[in-house]
Amino acid sequence: GAGVSQSPSNKVTEKGKDVELRCDPISGHTALYWYRQSLGQGLEFLIYFQGNSAPDKSGLPSDRFSAERTGGSVSTLTIQRTQQEDSAVYLCASSLDGARGTDTQYFGPGTRLTVL
Amino acid sequence: DQQVKQNSPSLSVQEGRISILNCDYTNSMFDYFLWYKKYPAEGPTFLISISSIKDKNEDGRFTVFLNKSAKHLSLHIVPSQPGDSAVYFCAARYYGNNRLAFGKGNQVVVIP
Repeated sequence: GAGVSQSPSNKVTEKGKDVELRCDPISGHTALYWYRQSLGQGLEFLIYFQGNSAPDKSGLPSDRFSAERTGGSVSTLTIQRTQQEDSAVYLCASSLDGARGTDTQYFGPGTRLTVL
Repeated sequence: DQQVKQNSPSLSVQEGRISILNCDYTNSMFDYFLWYKKYPAEGPTFLISISSIKDKNEDGRFTVFLNKSAKHLSLHIVPSQPGDSAVYFCAARYYGNNRLAFGKGNQVVVIP
């Protein structure tokens, strides 16, 4: 079956512009996660959606970052007024039921964001 | 503050030999540990996991060992194959929360 897909695969933008990154999770997965990987770093948790519950936004680095998940499926991560330090690979993952804890997270290929 | 640490960023090993990757963590609230494998331009893929109530989990050529008192885990790959060449990430889950904390990764190169 189809895995997690993300678009665009690459995004180059100018400092100060807004960007939107899209994630299509695996069909039927109730949990969706956003992470980012900066150069030379591990994956950094950003936000977690579980079903219809309020999302866990504790990893968002600033109020310029926001995310929504419409209809319990597709998610959009928005970065406003981008800064050069926002340059990273943004990874989306989904799992069948995040409330189970030992659920395997399946990752998409990521969106490489470059802020000039 | 890096709560999951992977030292020795890269490892080269001959095909057929054992690859050993190490991971240390600082947070006692982690209760579940995972290893992910990542090829270039792809997302990480799940490899193997271990619960904090166990000290060993084996799946084919891959074995993960957990030393809870030392807050240390390791991944053994034996025998190593050229297709194992990838970046390996150690990850840990917070108790009661499904978010994962990741290490910086180890690049493994298996030489044919």
